[in-house]
Amino acid sequence: AQSVTQLGSHVSVSEGALVLLRCNYSSSVPPYLFWYVQYPNQGLQLLLKYTSAATLVKGINGFEAEFKKSETSFHLTKPSAHMSDAAEYFCAVSDYSAGTALIFGKGTTLSVSS
Amino acid sequence: EAGVAQSPRYKIIEKRQSVAFWCNPISGHATLYWYQQILGQGPKLLIQFQNNGVVDDSQLPKDRFSAERLKGVDSTLKIQPAKLEDSAVYLCASRYQGFDEQYFGPGTRLTVT
Repeated sequence: AQSVTQLGSHVSVSEGALVLLRCNYSSSVPPYLFWYVQYPNQGLQLLLKYTSAATLVKGINGFEAEFKKSETSFHLTKPSAHMSDAAEYFCAVSDYSAGTALIFGKGTTLSVSS
Repeated sequence: EAGVAQSPRYKIIEKRQSVAFWCNPISGHATLYWYQQILGQGPKLLIQFQNNGVVDDSQLPKDRFSAERLKGVDSTLKIQPAKLEDSAVYLCASRYQGFDEQYFGPGTRLTVT
C-alpha cells in the first residue's frame, strides 16, 4: 500500500532563509508525487508534481523538489522564504496506473518570521 | 476558467441530524473526488466518480454517508445521521481525463455539536 510521511508537523524559518519540507513515500510501483499548498480557509493548490520525467521539478512561487528513488524522498525546497509562504503544505502520492486518488501526508505548517 | 465550486462553505449541525454538500466541478472534468480533511490531518479520499459511475468508495462509511453524481456533472455528498467525529472539512476535487492534476474547491467546513 502507498503511504506518505512528512517529517515535522511545524517548520519555522526567518524571511530570506532556506525552506526545506521533508517528504518520504512508500510505493510498490513508480509513483506520481505532488506537493500542494493550503492557505487558511482555502482549498489545495498544486505547487509542483513529479510524473517520471525530470527528477528535479520546478513549481510555482519559486519552489522546487527533487525525486530521489534511492532515498524514497521528494523534499520541497525554496532558496529564500517570503512572508507569503506561510501556509500548510501537503505531500501526496498516487499510482495513476491503478486509477487511484491521492494519498496525502499529514501536512507541515510553515511559519515565516520577519 | 471557473474553478471547482462548493456549497455551503460552513455548516453547523447537531449530532444525529443530516446534512448535504454540493460540488460543481470544472467543466469537462470527468473525474470527481470527495475528500475528508480532519483537523491536523491530510485529506482522505471518501469516494471517486468517473462520469456518473463510482470508481472507488472503499473508504466511504456507507452506513451514514452517501454520494451521487447524476448526469456526470455536479455531485452531492450526504451524511445521515451525523456523528461528532464527522466534524471536518469536506473537499471536492476534479480532474480532466488523461491529465495528472486535481483541482480542489474551497471546501465545506462541517461542525457537529
